[in-house]
Amino acid sequence: GQNIDQPTEMTATEGAIVQINCTYQTSGFNGLFWYQQHAGEAPTFLSYNVLDGLEEKGRFSSFLSRSKGYSYLLLKELQMKDSASYLCAVSGNSGYSTLTFGKGTMLLVSP
Amino acid sequence: KAGVTQTPRYLIKTRGQQVTLSCSPISGHRSVSWYQQTPGQGLQFLFEYFSETQRNKGNFPGRFSGRQFSNSRSEMNVSTLELGDSALYLCASSSGLYQETQYFGPGTRLLVL
Repeated sequence: GQNIDQPTEMTATEGAIVQINCTYQTSGFNGLFWYQQHAGEAPTFLSYNVLDGLEEKGRFSSFLSRSKGYSYLLLKELQMKDSASYLCAVSGNSGYSTLTFGKGTMLLVSP
Repeated sequence: KAGVTQTPRYLIKTRGQQVTLSCSPISGHRSVSWYQQTPGQGLQFLFEYFSETQRNKGNFPGRFSGRQFSNSRSEMNVSTLELGDSALYLCASSSGLYQETQYFGPGTRLLVL
């Protein structure tokens, strides 16, 4: 089976940096995705990690450690529009398009 | 390219009824996955279709079924609706190749009374 844990809520201030952690225990692992979901909207793709290390994409970076079953999403220079739910999702070893999601971290950015 | 579209966007049904939801993937995508999203359980995988065949299935009862047409459009059906089926139903499309990114539609919000 798959178990994915991430904090339920986080708060941060505009302009700050925030790190959202995700730990996973899975029977198979091929890669880890991060999605952003604003209230009432569809999840949108942020990043994908398959190898250990840091992937940087503008203000967002994602890190993966396969040996530790751990990932984090780093958001820099926070803006009000970053207030959203951030979903960590693991792709298993079936080779198909099946994702197992964590329950999401609700990030609230305040002025 | 147009994104993933889902119809209808909102639906109200009563217990015992059945419902059919539709999803049109991004042009060229052959894989459609369906997910149920609720506040308590988060996003849960229902099933995935690729080239008109169900490739994978989550842990949902048989009341939940789906199909995919030759143009890659997909439908999911829920029979004998229960109150607990109230949720946001999301579909996601991808090329279907190994580890390709999934792109989500806006979802259908189903309320069962």
